[in-house]
Amino acid sequence: EAGVAQSPRYKIIEKRQSVAFWCNPISGHATLYWYQQILGQGPKLLIQFQNNGVVDDSQLPKDRFSAERLKGVDSTLKIQPAKLEDSAVYLCASSFFGGSGYEQYFGPGTRLTVT
Amino acid sequence: GESVGLHLPTLSVQEGDNSIINCAYSNSASDYFIWYKQESGKGPQFIIDIRSNMDKRQGQRVTVLLNKTVKHLSLQIAATQPGDSAVYFCAESGAGSYQLTFGKGTKLSVIP
Repeated sequence: EAGVAQSPRYKIIEKRQSVAFWCNPISGHATLYWYQQILGQGPKLLIQFQNNGVVDDSQLPKDRFSAERLKGVDSTLKIQPAKLEDSAVYLCASSFFGGSGYEQYFGPGTRLTVT
Repeated sequence: GESVGLHLPTLSVQEGDNSIINCAYSNSASDYFIWYKQESGKGPQFIIDIRSNMDKRQGQRVTVLLNKTVKHLSLQIAATQPGDSAVYFCAESGAGSYQLTFGKGTKLSVIP
């Protein structure tokens, strides 16, 4: 089975610019997650979708970050405008269903460098 | 807020030896725990999980132990191989919560 796909793999932008990341989850997975992983730390959940609805976005900095999953399949995460502290790897994960006990499958991530 | 953490940031072991990676958690309501392996440039990969109604679970070369009394989780890797070199994260979710909380990770280096 194909894994979670993400693009681009790497992105370098200047502060105050905008950037968008794309994720295609595993086919049939209803739940999609975006995580931010700062170097040397564990991933931190930004937003969770169940189909095309938001389940949890409590840790998403909504003044600059936005995410959508319009058709309940692939998703985009946008940062506008970017700050230096946004430099991190952005991971997308999916699971068959949400909730405790359902394994999350991760994509390779997009490494963002903000200069 | 409550979080999951790890005792040691780095661990070096000789090839063929057993490895033990530890994790402490603070949320007494956590009922599901997972260990992930993350190789350089890749996303986390599921290794093994355990629910709070269990204290031990075994997989292929890996064993997870859960001590709810002291809120401690460990991952044991038998006969460690060079391919096991990676950063290992424990993660937990609480009862009724969809959110998976990760610890900071332990870097395992296997010496040939």
